[in-house]
Amino acid sequence: ETGVTQTPRHLVMGMTNKKSLKCEQHLGHNAMYWYKQSAKKPLELMFVYSLEERVENNSVPSRFSPECPNSSHLFLHLHTLQPEDSALYLCASSPGTGGNEKLFFGSGTQLSVL
Amino acid sequence: AQKVTQAQTEISVVEKEDVTLDCVYETRDTTYYLFWYKQPPSGELVFLIRRNSFDEQNEISGRYSWNFQKSTSSFNFTITASQVVDSAVYFCALSGGSGGSNYKLTFGKGTLLTVNP
Repeated sequence: ETGVTQTPRHLVMGMTNKKSLKCEQHLGHNAMYWYKQSAKKPLELMFVYSLEERVENNSVPSRFSPECPNSSHLFLHLHTLQPEDSALYLCASSPGTGGNEKLFFGSGTQLSVL
Repeated sequence: AQKVTQAQTEISVVEKEDVTLDCVYETRDTTYYLFWYKQPPSGELVFLIRRNSFDEQNEISGRYSWNFQKSTSSFNFTITASQVVDSAVYFCALSGGSGGSNYKLTFGKGTLLTVNP
């Protein structure tokens, strides 16, 4: 148990659907992250929030829309996805955004886009 | 640009064998941090160790040990007397220590370790 909870664990959606991924951390951290993990590729940083402000948007297509209503919750809103967006989406948190920060990860949402 | 290379895609060993996972990195930063994370089948990455670029002392934690060598830009991870529970994907990662985006972790592609009984 890392203190970071992601829901749902699995999601299957069609290309025209709209869905949201949810992440919640119970660690009192100030920074939250979305990472994408595709087969045979390194983890890709998508978004970073620090104290509820987005500090990184790593050239992610607009069909992915993050939301951070408070420092404990992070959402990733999905719409009109493509099959190549199928991946494991991992949420993480850390006390701050320094280079030495240890990240705490959730178990991820395995997304399949049909 | 930063880069992390984990040349071993998959390793398979028998229980009680020792195994070393290789990690080679590239960076122009003089201050940086290196990490190892473990990803078991349950999916969440679990932090194992963090090393800063000024601390080349090797570290041992139980059956785990890490060998950091700046001269070869390597940060290798050894598991002694491996166990089935060590089966997981292991990621090496690098972050910059200064600048506005030093929180960005560059991950290697990971090494899948399978420990057979």
